[in-house]
Amino acid sequence: DAKTTQPPSMDCAEGRAANLPCNHSTISGNEYVYWYRQIHSQGPQYIIHGLKNNETNEMASLIITEDRKSSTLILPHATLRDTAVYYCIVRVANTNAGKSTFGDGTTLTVKP
Amino acid sequence: SAVISQKPSRDICQRGTSLTIQCQVDSQVTMMFWYRQQPGQSLTLIATANQGSEATYESGFVIDKFPISRPNLTFSTLTVSNLSPEDSSIYLCSGGDSTGELFFGEGSRLTVL
Repeated sequence: DAKTTQPPSMDCAEGRAANLPCNHSTISGNEYVYWYRQIHSQGPQYIIHGLKNNETNEMASLIITEDRKSSTLILPHATLRDTAVYYCIVRVANTNAGKSTFGDGTTLTVKP
Repeated sequence: SAVISQKPSRDICQRGTSLTIQCQVDSQVTMMFWYRQQPGQSLTLIATANQGSEATYESGFVIDKFPISRPNLTFSTLTVSNLSPEDSSIYLCSGGDSTGELFFGEGSRLTVL
């Protein structure tokens, strides 16, 4: 799996958009970008994933640059409950591989 | 999404003993994995649990210390043997479905005294 680089921490005001960057300059053509988050004392939770097109679901949006070397996870209206560690992972999808290499992630703190 | 259930959710053990963690997944899951999360750290993959055969361990993890069983498609156990305080961590079971998506249990928090 390609390596990812994320800032160790970020703050965001409640109600504002949280934009979490991730660099993955060595990503391969068949690797997807996945985002998970881990709220304190819970197991990681899947957020969103994408290959090269931007993706949106009920939780977040994922913007992937055209060269696929970086991406941004956007939480459009952050709430206090979005305070968590956010992990960006790149790996092959649509196989039975499934195992992932987790980096250190970004600790997002949403402040009132 | 798949449902992953782990037990115990937490335990306190004496050094030199062993702890076995159980993981039950629903039928969507085809692959099962065990991760460790040491205090303040990210997740580290221990091994892939293979149904009916020996688990596939990652570098730095050995079967004698972390024996894993997976007798059927939806159940696996991880034993942490000969416990020392350095084994104090959260142990997470995860399951992958046929699309490669990954789901996690809530984790088992182990404290070794």
